Amino acid sequence: KNQVEQSPQSLIILEGKNCTLQCNYTVSPFSNLRWYKQDTGRGPVSLTIMTFSENTKSNGRYTATLDADTKQSSLHITASQLSDSASYICVVSALGGNNDMRFGAGTRLTVKP
Amino acid sequence: EAGVTQSPTHLIKTRGQQVTLRCSPISGHTSVYWYQQALGLGLQFLLWYDEGEERNRGNFPPRFSGRQFPNYSSELNVNALELEDSALYLCASNLLAGGPRTDTQYFGPGTRLTVL
Repeated sequence: KNQVEQSPQSLIILEGKNCTLQCNYTVSPFSNLRWYKQDTGRGPVSLTIMTFSENTKSNGRYTATLDADTKQSSLHITASQLSDSASYICVVSALGGNNDMRFGAGTRLTVKP
Repeated sequence: EAGVTQSPTHLIKTRGQQVTLRCSPISGHTSVYWYQQALGLGLQFLLWYDEGEERNRGNFPPRFSGRQFPNYSSELNVNALELEDSALYLCASNLLAGGPRTDTQYFGPGTRLTVL
């Protein structure tokens, strides 16, 4: 079982609308959680990174939240644009020297005009 | 500042052949990571190199191997290619000295490998 579960698997919204993507994890001990955006056929690009003590982090129209108690994170996209169409990947790192990271399968977002 | 670069961008091989993929990290980064992303699937961790040493390895067979050179560039070698090795191979780099708050990995554009 994957230690990082993302939902929904895919999402279609209209341009200008808001949306929220979810990430639940069981990785322990927790070090940090990152959200990446990956355009089709390209490498992922970091959006946010949060450690245990942070519960929200913004990057422009992207706002990530983290509840370390319930082991849940969300990525909220405001006023979506066509260029937001991409896969959004949640990555959770465990403490330790092995740089152990667990990747979610991603949420495929499509923004339509 | 140049980002992570990978070569080649695309590659077509046949079953049983061997392939070498190359990655140059961002200048100053000492860690290089390799990932496999099969079509429609999530990223799977392959290998992590730091300061020339293999630090961690994902759940892949030994025919996946690599190395990191003194200039921190890296190669990923795959022997005895199988059809299911067809995937996008991504390389990422970072600088661990910054600690977990700054250890964001920067990804290259990937190499698309097709095994026929």
